[in-house]
Amino acid sequence: AQSVTQPDIHITVSEGASLELRCNYSYGATPYLFWYVQSPGQGLQLLLKYFSGDTLVQGIKGFEAEFKRSQSSFNLRKPSVHWSDAAEYFCAVLKTSYDKVIFGPGTSLSVIP
Amino acid sequence: KAGVTQTPRYLIKTRGQQVTLSCSPISGHRSVSWYQQTPGQGLQFLFEYFSETQRNKGNFPGRFSGRQFSNSRSEMNVSTLELGDSALYLCASSPGRLGLGDTQYFGPGTRLTVL
Repeated sequence: AQSVTQPDIHITVSEGASLELRCNYSYGATPYLFWYVQSPGQGLQLLLKYFSGDTLVQGIKGFEAEFKRSQSSFNLRKPSVHWSDAAEYFCAVLKTSYDKVIFGPGTSLSVIP
Repeated sequence: KAGVTQTPRYLIKTRGQQVTLSCSPISGHRSVSWYQQTPGQGLQFLFEYFSETQRNKGNFPGRFSGRQFSNSRSEMNVSTLELGDSALYLCASSPGRLGLGDTQYFGPGTRLTVL
């Protein structure tokens, strides 16, 4: 069963516009949640992570994400997108009982100048 | 600190051959995890090594194996290569074991092409 879904395969936004990337997960226990970014030809870089506490998490590069347990979601947001944000974004969940990280299929972001 | 390094960056092999990929973690990191990334299957967890022991493994055949040395460097081996093994193989290191949720730092990957 798919544990992490990212409904949007590809998103295009104009530079300066706001961004929201969706992520839904299915996991019985309290999840550890992550957002990663991958630029072409590069490895993954962690943007932010949520373990517990405040459900609004701040990350690097001006990104933030909100954990909503009732909706099993962990959406990534940025108020103003820069051209350099064009990349692939992956949501992931750490299944602590199995010591495994499950990644979503990714969302490709294009930014129009 | 130097980041995670992976060698080689690119590799071309033929079906039936075997291949060994190498990963050097960030100094002081004891956990190394391996992932396979393909357009069709996305990012999939292969296995994690911590203190020279394999802690867990993803849903991959026994042709995929690995090991970790006392200096935390890790190698991944794939035997009897198949066309479907063509992928980007990513290595990630973290200070503690994966289950603790430590931040994973990824290397640039090794691009394996099987002909």
